[in-house]
Amino acid sequence: EIVMTQSPATLSVSPGERATLSCRASQSVSSNLAWYQQRPGQAPRLLIYGASTRATGIPARFSGSGSGTEFTLTITSLQSEDFAVYYCQQYHNWPPITFGQGTRLEI
Amino acid sequence: EVHLLESGGGLVQPGGSLRLSCSASGFIFSSYTMSWVRQVPGKGLEWVSGITGSGGITYYAESVKGRFTISRDNSQNTLHLQMNSLRVEDMATYFCAKTRVGFSDWGQGTMVTVAS
Repeated sequence: EIVMTQSPATLSVSPGERATLSCRASQSVSSNLAWYQQRPGQAPRLLIYGASTRATGIPARFSGSGSGTEFTLTITSLQSEDFAVYYCQQYHNWPPITFGQGTRLEI
Repeated sequence: EVHLLESGGGLVQPGGSLRLSCSASGFIFSSYTMSWVRQVPGKGLEWVSGITGSGGITYYAESVKGRFTISRDNSQNTLHLQMNSLRVEDMATYFCAKTRVGFSDWGQGTMVTVAS
């Protein structure tokens, strides 16, 4: 099973600033990596797939990078609706599909 | 527009059974692998099970293998999860998700409570 590890667990930033979230895989997942945003009381929403491709309707301030075992989600010009929990997920070698434990982005 | 609507959650005693359903619309259901993902309140996401578009291949997390059965009815655009021998640790919100490169669309979830 591929273990996904996200850091930090909590990231405190201010609106308008930039946030950088990290995700590490225990073995290479190539570019088979997705990022999700989950707001309180809502289902997760796909932000990024293929490590760097934005999903339909996702604003350009969200960007993903990396390949192999190291990945980054960058959110520029943070807006109030961006404060949420973010998960990375690998779909390179499944089953099982595995998620990171999440990063809480807070003000 | 893709729409996924789960149903069937509720309160069940340990050892009991529940059958979850997910009604899909807005896309060609039979063309997509579908999955169930669960989330314990306040915790992270856990993939539970997946099924290919034809229904011919199924996948399970080790934690549910032998107890849960995923199935689909492509004529009714519906996904199911039969959950038997439920444990307290199965208590969670269960989401169905359209699966391709990642989970592109999610339902709103249905809550399963396992308690005596």
